[in-house]
Amino acid sequence: RKEVEQDPGPFNVPEGATVAFNCTYSNSASQSFFWYRQDCRKEPKLLMSVYSSGNEDGRFTAQLNRASQYISLLIRDSKLSDSATYLCVVSNQGGTYKYIFGTGTRLKVLA
Amino acid sequence: GAGVSQSPSNKVTEKGKDVELRCDPISGHTALYWYRQSLGQGLEFLIYFQGNSAPDKSGLPSDRFSAERTGGSVSTLTIQRTQQEDSAVYLCASSLEGPPQYFGPGTRLTVT
Repeated sequence: RKEVEQDPGPFNVPEGATVAFNCTYSNSASQSFFWYRQDCRKEPKLLMSVYSSGNEDGRFTAQLNRASQYISLLIRDSKLSDSATYLCVVSNQGGTYKYIFGTGTRLKVLA
Repeated sequence: GAGVSQSPSNKVTEKGKDVELRCDPISGHTALYWYRQSLGQGLEFLIYFQGNSAPDKSGLPSDRFSAERTGGSVSTLTIQRTQQEDSAVYLCASSLEGPPQYFGPGTRLTVT
């Protein structure tokens, strides 16, 4: 089983829609969780951290479910500019700071 | 200020040759990461440097791969006797602490 798994998509949604992605992780001792976005043929960019109580940044909401070992990203009022691949990142245990990237979920927001 | 820079941006090399990839992190960032990304794949962790601590080399795929970080700043990733499966985009990232915060544009390596 992969350490971090994501549905590759693509998720095709109309502008203004709400869309959510999940990401599952296998190591129950994982400490930290993040979402990145990666535009085509560009480097990844840190989007937001994921906190235990859930957190929001504008139209983006991230949640963590430790019991089921998944994190989620919800995007409200999708914009064309949200089209990208969203990467889930999980840190391993023990503080050695090896951040494991998922293969990403591709989102296409359609006009 | 300047972000993370990497050089070269593209490198085509023949199988069996050695290559050196360079990363200039953001000034003052003590954490430096190397990842590689093959076409359509996720990022694969290679190595992590944090300050003066011993690097975490657990992601290096073989002993043909090595990396150095001189003076806590510039890092060089060296691949000896390159193989076709080494073809990928090699990404460097830096941060003060925590996750890789700023990525460089990457070096696209093609081994023919």
